[in-house]
Amino acid sequence: DAKTTQPNSMESNEEEPVHLPCNHSTISGTDYIHWYRQLPSQGPEYVIHGLTSNVNNRMASLAIAEDRKSSTLILHRATLRDAAVYYCILPPPALIQGAQKLVFGQGTRLTINP
Amino acid sequence: NAGVTQTPKFQVLKTGQSMTLQCAQDMNHNSMYWYRQDPGMGLRLIYYSASEGTTDKGEVPNGYNVSRLNKREFSLRLESAAPSQTSVYFCASTYRALRLNTGELFFGEGSRLTVL
Repeated sequence: DAKTTQPNSMESNEEEPVHLPCNHSTISGTDYIHWYRQLPSQGPEYVIHGLTSNVNNRMASLAIAEDRKSSTLILHRATLRDAAVYYCILPPPALIQGAQKLVFGQGTRLTINP
Repeated sequence: NAGVTQTPKFQVLKTGQSMTLQCAQDMNHNSMYWYRQDPGMGLRLIYYSASEGTTDKGEVPNGYNVSRLNKREFSLRLESAAPSQTSVYFCASTYRALRLNTGELFFGEGSRLTVL
C-alpha cells in the first residue's frame, strides 16, 4: 500500500482557512486519495476523496498536485467544531473478492483557537 | 437513520473473561470492518468482511474472532480477554464498489473496553 506522511499537529484560528498537507510520493496511478477526520470521542467520519482533479464538497476542498505526490485538504473557514485528527489515506483498489481496507496512520491533530 | 450501531458502548472485563461486541448497520452495505484504537494512536484493522459469508484477517487479528451473522450484523468476540486488548473498538461499513476504491466508510461511535 502507498504510504502517506502528515504533520503530527497543526494549529489555526477560528474563521481562518486551514491547509492540511499530505505527502504520498509512492502513489500509483489508480490510488484514490481519501480524507477522514475524527472528532474527540467519536468514530472517524469521511471528509472527501479524489483521484486527479481538485474536488469540493460542503465540508472541504481537496487540492491534488499535478504529479499526485502530494495533496492538501482545505477547510475554507475553520470553526471550533473542526478541531479533530485528520487522516490522509490511500486505500488499495478493491478487488473482486476483497474489500476496501483503509489503513489509518497517526494523522494530523488540528487545534482551532477561538 | 441509525447508520452503524455498536453495543455495548462501555465494558469492563477481568483477564480471561470472554465477551462479544455487536455491530449492526442499516444502510444495506456489503462490507463491514472492525478496528481498534489505542490511546494516542491511529486505527488498526482487526478483521473485515467483504460480503456476507466471508471474513478475513486485518493487521491485528490475534486474540479475536468474528462472525458475519447476516448482511446487517458483524460481531467481534474476545474469547479470553487480556489487558493488552484494552482499547476503543470501532465497527465500520461500506458499499464496496467493484474495481474502484471510492466507497465511503461509515463508522459507529465506538465501544470502550477495559480489561483488568
